[in-house]
Amino acid sequence: GENVEQHPSTLSVQEGDSAVIKCTYSDSASNYFPWYKQELGKRPQLIIDIRSNVGEKKDQRIAVTLNKTAKHFSLHITETQPEDSAVYFCAASIPGTYKYIFGTGTRLKVLA
Amino acid sequence: DVKVTQSSRYLVKRTGEKVFLECVQDMDHENMFWYRQDPGLGLRLIYFSYDVKMKEKGDIPEGYSVSREKKERFSLILESASTNQTSMYLCATAFGAETQYFGPGTRLLVL
Repeated sequence: GENVEQHPSTLSVQEGDSAVIKCTYSDSASNYFPWYKQELGKRPQLIIDIRSNVGEKKDQRIAVTLNKTAKHFSLHITETQPEDSAVYFCAASIPGTYKYIFGTGTRLKVLA
Repeated sequence: DVKVTQSSRYLVKRTGEKVFLECVQDMDHENMFWYRQDPGLGLRLIYFSYDVKMKEKGDIPEGYSVSREKKERFSLILESASTNQTSMYLCATAFGAETQYFGPGTRLLVL
């Protein structure tokens, strides 16, 4: 069945450094890839998404890249700040459905 | 702004009790979802509804049922709660295949 693998499970970076989180999906027909940020005790919130007809998308300090051939996509956060500390989830759409399959999450800690 | 609310933030129940979790959205979204979130396992889909009275099993439906009598409201029912159902439950809504918006979550403890 469909599967999304997310790495690493935890990531610690110094404030100001960059952070990269990677996800691999199994179904080559997946066409929508959202990223969610979940702060402690709060709901997951969409921070950026990308569709399969685009290779890269950027929004200020956050960017997502998609490699359809390799079936992987990555979240890049530059100039990290303490408020970036959270759990980040990637997801891939399940073709022919309205559903997603989620990765297992990455806990990012930005050290001041 | 999309508003998705859940009936309780925290809930403590005893084994064998019937538990109702309710989700309400105000955006006229057709699709509503119930997920369970456990450490190291991410978000796993329990049930999905694509219209009133329509439902579809997700990846882990055992021990759960759902009800959608009105478009804005999607209920998750634990017929007989068990300790292994202690978890965070998240509701989400979406318009078609677009972005899913999450509720604040209900942390359920079954004793």
